[in-house]
Amino acid sequence: NAGVTQTPKFRILKIGQSMTLQCAQDMNHNYMYWYRQDPGMGLKLIYYSVGAGITDKGEVPNGYNVSRSTTEDFPLRLELAAPSQTSVYFCASIRDRVTGELFFGEGSRLTVL
Amino acid sequence: TQLLEQSPQFLSIQEGENLTVYCNSSSVFSSLQWYRQEPGEGPVLLVTVVTGGEVKKLKRLTFQFGDARKDSSLHITAAQPGDTGLYLCAGAHSGTDKLIFGTGTRLQVFP
Repeated sequence: NAGVTQTPKFRILKIGQSMTLQCAQDMNHNYMYWYRQDPGMGLKLIYYSVGAGITDKGEVPNGYNVSRSTTEDFPLRLELAAPSQTSVYFCASIRDRVTGELFFGEGSRLTVL
Repeated sequence: TQLLEQSPQFLSIQEGENLTVYCNSSSVFSSLQWYRQEPGEGPVLLVTVVTGGEVKKLKRLTFQFGDARKDSSLHITAAQPGDTGLYLCAGAHSGTDKLIFGTGTRLQVFP
């Protein structure tokens, strides 16, 4: 099984550019999450979704947008990249929010110069 | 505002020592999980605790969920260099699906 697949793994952006981080899972999980992790720190929740067509803001949503048109896909869009968005981004999915395990993608390392 | 505070933030110990990491919040969690993360990888689940007062043991690791379900601890007995990593607690407050992570505890165990 592929699990959670994130693309791209690495990307360098210039200030003001836009891009989309792709996330797909093949486990039929309803819950999906986007986190960012700055060096040496914990993960901060950007956006999450509890099912197709439903998205909600996390702890640090400013500067990002998401959509969830299918159960499998949960893309994260950066509209106007800023240096503060330099981070490692993790997508994750979970079957059962209360007791289930979060399955993570390999992460996408984004640098904004 | 960070809703899950972990302490200590950093911990450097010698092999064989014991240690405890704490995860605290002012709000009640429906469940709480502990993850371990190594450099360049995503976090990996260690345990999930659901019931207030629950204690779970995983070899040399002991996890406890507070009676009021607002805090948790991770105790490692006789730490080994292989325990080195970033330890993260995570949970969702009762009534929400917003699964958040703690600030993290970076553990370094020296041989």
